[in-house]
Amino acid sequence: QVQLVESGGGVVQPGTSLRLSCAASGFTFSSHGMHWVRQAPGKGLEWVALIWYDGSSEYYADSVKGRCTISRDNSKNTLYLQMNSLRAEDTAVYHCARWFGLKNAFDIWGRGTMVTVSS
Amino acid sequence: DIQLTQSPSTLSASVGDRVTISCRASQSISSWLAWYQQKPGKAPNLLIYKASSLESGVPSRFSGSGSGIEFTLTISSLQPDDFATYYCQQYSDYSCTFGQGTKVEIK
Repeated sequence: QVQLVESGGGVVQPGTSLRLSCAASGFTFSSHGMHWVRQAPGKGLEWVALIWYDGSSEYYADSVKGRCTISRDNSKNTLYLQMNSLRAEDTAVYHCARWFGLKNAFDIWGRGTMVTVSS
Repeated sequence: DIQLTQSPSTLSASVGDRVTISCRASQSISSWLAWYQQKPGKAPNLLIYKASSLESGVPSRFSGSGSGIEFTLTISSLQPDDFATYYCQQYSDYSCTFGQGTKVEIK
């Protein structure tokens, strides 16, 4: 069935790096833009980054610009988020989400992977 | 960036009640607004897109309306499964924003 499964989260110290992955299945991954959206504990949803269907363009929230890189490997149906110089405020559940352009909405979400930045 | 402001932040209601949640944009977004439902520990679930189009599989008691800067999500008759947090979302100029969420609680 159509699904997104994130991995790569964990507990890390401030200033370190982490790479998250999102494995897609059940649909043509290379036809869809993909996003990362995060949610800090007890807080609302915050958009992080997007990448076009072919990887040709990327855009970031100001809160992560310069520290995070979104990428994808369409041959492996996998989305990535490289996170550097991690801060306590990056602590959150990170969801990947499929963008459906005709709906201008996220129609498929992964359950998320937890990132905790703590010394 | 376009800001979205939801109201109320929390709503207490009973099963069978008609519930309305508002979302106001800081500038016109035409009809490019979506609504999501999220339950604790789960991923968000798309309910409404393009302000008023019902996502496939979503019960017809959910409806959306509005355009420009004012939008509304309505649940016509609240069911036990509907107690959750609801978010509005917009996308423009390669950036996406969410409202701060509305938690629907049992009265």
